[in-house]
Amino acid sequence: AQSVTQPDIHITVSEGASLELRCNYSYGATPYLFWYVQSPGQGLQLLLKYFSGDTLVQGIKGFEAEFKRSQSSFNLRKPSVHWSDAAEYFCAVGGTGGGNKLTFGTGTQLKVEL
Amino acid sequence: DAGVTQSPTHLIKTRGRQVTLRCSPISGHKSVSWYQQVLGQGPQFIFQYYEKEERGRGNFPDRFSARQFPNYSSELNVNALLLGDSALYLCASSFLGTNTEAFFGQGTRLTVV
Repeated sequence: AQSVTQPDIHITVSEGASLELRCNYSYGATPYLFWYVQSPGQGLQLLLKYFSGDTLVQGIKGFEAEFKRSQSSFNLRKPSVHWSDAAEYFCAVGGTGGGNKLTFGTGTQLKVEL
Repeated sequence: DAGVTQSPTHLIKTRGRQVTLRCSPISGHKSVSWYQQVLGQGPQFIFQYYEKEERGRGNFPDRFSARQFPNYSSELNVNALLLGDSALYLCASSFLGTNTEAFFGQGTRLTVV
């Protein structure tokens, strides 16, 4: 069965500081990996995705993520956080044979201090 | 371009009653998936439909059902509502039935009282 672990429930960073959100996955085949962001009471917005190829993927809003197969990780990074980045971030895994079923982690709540 | 649209945005229902939630996918997308997000948790997969056929079902009771129409819009029905069904219900739209990214709507907030 596929699963996603986001070890950090809450993270607080200062505006302008760098950010890394951790994600570990379990999947029996080649995974498709995603990061989504959710503002309070809103739906999910896709930040970036990894299907294959270059293991460092670029997304919207200055985010990037690196796929490390040996560590079963797909951590999200941003070099300089803006106050508007405060939101909840979800890592998700899907893959071949699973249709478009996504399995999500429990999320990381990001707070940005001014 | 219109994104995924869901209706209604909010509703309140009494325990034991039935509810229908609606979703219109992005134009040209043929797959719709439904997710339940309970407060403080990540979304949980309920159903996927592609070309009007069920392609996947999550670990939810038979009180939950769905269908997809010829125009690719979809309805999620929940019968015999329980307090625990209170959640944000998200619809996701994809171009294909597999191996493609999913775009989410804003969700329907269901409160069961």
